[in-house]
Amino acid sequence: QKEVEQDPGPLSVPEGAIVSLNCTYSNSAFQYFMWYRQYSRKGPELLMYTYSSGNKEDGRFTAQVDKSSKYISLFIRDSQPSDSATYLCATHGNYQLIWGAGTKLIIKP
Amino acid sequence: GAVVSQHPSWVICKSGTSVKIECRSLDFQATTMFWYRQFPKQSLMLMATSNEGSKATYEQGVEKDKFLINHASLTLSTLTVTSAHPEDSSFYICSARKGGLASYNEQFFGPGTRLTVL
Repeated sequence: QKEVEQDPGPLSVPEGAIVSLNCTYSNSAFQYFMWYRQYSRKGPELLMYTYSSGNKEDGRFTAQVDKSSKYISLFIRDSQPSDSATYLCATHGNYQLIWGAGTKLIIKP
Repeated sequence: GAVVSQHPSWVICKSGTSVKIECRSLDFQATTMFWYRQFPKQSLMLMATSNEGSKATYEQGVEKDKFLINHASLTLSTLTVTSAHPEDSSFYICSARKGGLASYNEQFFGPGTRLTVL
């Protein structure tokens, strides 16, 4: 079992829809969770960073962590075509990041 | 901000030659830099962790004699792919971590270098 599981998609939704991206993790000791956005042929860009359980909001983006179910989510409201990218979840292991596979998101105009 | 640059962004080389990729933290000092490779439609695979002034720590299965890493200063790390072969063609991405406990989890990524070996 991988330490972080993420459906690679692709996930295709119409513009304006609410997008829900999800990951599960196996180690209950993980406490830091990140969401990165990666455009094609570019390096990942940190979107959201959360510690422990709860929600964190930044503009149209909300990151949610449920430690009881080992489930992390990223919600995108009012999705735009420019949000089309691959979204990677990650958590922090021993001095290195542990990555999900990345979900390719396509927002159709 | 925390900006990381990579050079070159794209390189094509002949099989058997060596290629050097530079990773620079432009506006902060990076005590630790990481090198990743990414194949199409796959996630990032950590190759090695490099600390300034010391030898890099390579992940299992990564040949240290093939992928030479030098972290000579707090703002520069280099990855040299020696005797490159077509199977080394990939997208190489570096990241840099700021020093200090307050930000030890944050990594800032470079834009990546696409290597094509003919």
